[in-house]
Amino acid sequence: DVKVTQSSRYLVKRTGEKVFLECVQDMDHENMFWYRQDPGLGLRLIYFSYDVKMKEKGDIPEGYSVSREKKERFSLILESASTNQTSMYLCASNGPIKATNEKLFFGSGTQLSVL
Amino acid sequence: AQSVAQPEDQVNVAEGNPLTVKCTYSVSGNPYLFWYVQYPNRGLQFLLKYITGDNLVKGSYGFEAEFNKSQTSFHLKKPSALVSDSALYFCAVRARNSGNTPLVFGKGTRLSVIA
Repeated sequence: DVKVTQSSRYLVKRTGEKVFLECVQDMDHENMFWYRQDPGLGLRLIYFSYDVKMKEKGDIPEGYSVSREKKERFSLILESASTNQTSMYLCASNGPIKATNEKLFFGSGTQLSVL
Repeated sequence: AQSVAQPEDQVNVAEGNPLTVKCTYSVSGNPYLFWYVQYPNRGLQFLLKYITGDNLVKGSYGFEAEFNKSQTSFHLKKPSALVSDSALYFCAVRARNSGNTPLVFGKGTRLSVIA
């Protein structure tokens, strides 16, 4: 089974702290994604990456950055955490985009609280 | 631009009754359509997808969805609901000719099945 592992299930940080959310997948997937999930807003795409050292902005990249130094690892960075970044963060991955390979695999999520 | 609408925030159904969770989409050209489910305290899991071919798609746990091009809909259905089907359901879309663009998700519909 494909595994997408997010390093923390719950995280509590203070305003202004630099926060790292880590995601590792074990299926040699090219594509990796970071979403945030908020009640009533659904899933919103923050950043994604189609290859090592590549990154693309999603719909809500402000206040975030990402790093992909190795194929299996995709990190989300909050440069200076703010209370409006309190949310559930979901990492996902899949193989090359083609009709037979569209299935996304998600991690269990990291619930981040910024105080 | 691609978009998905899930018009109902919440759907309540009695156990044993049929259930429907609605989804409409907007894309340029033909779509790839998906349903994902999120059980409490879990990440999202793939349920089913429509790529091409038969408009009625069968997926996991007895769920099915019907692609209706004229109504731009992809409603999720199950003939007989179980209490264990209670979860958050997300519809997602990507245009078939959109290259490598990520999936766009709806805001989610919470399904409650009452015993």
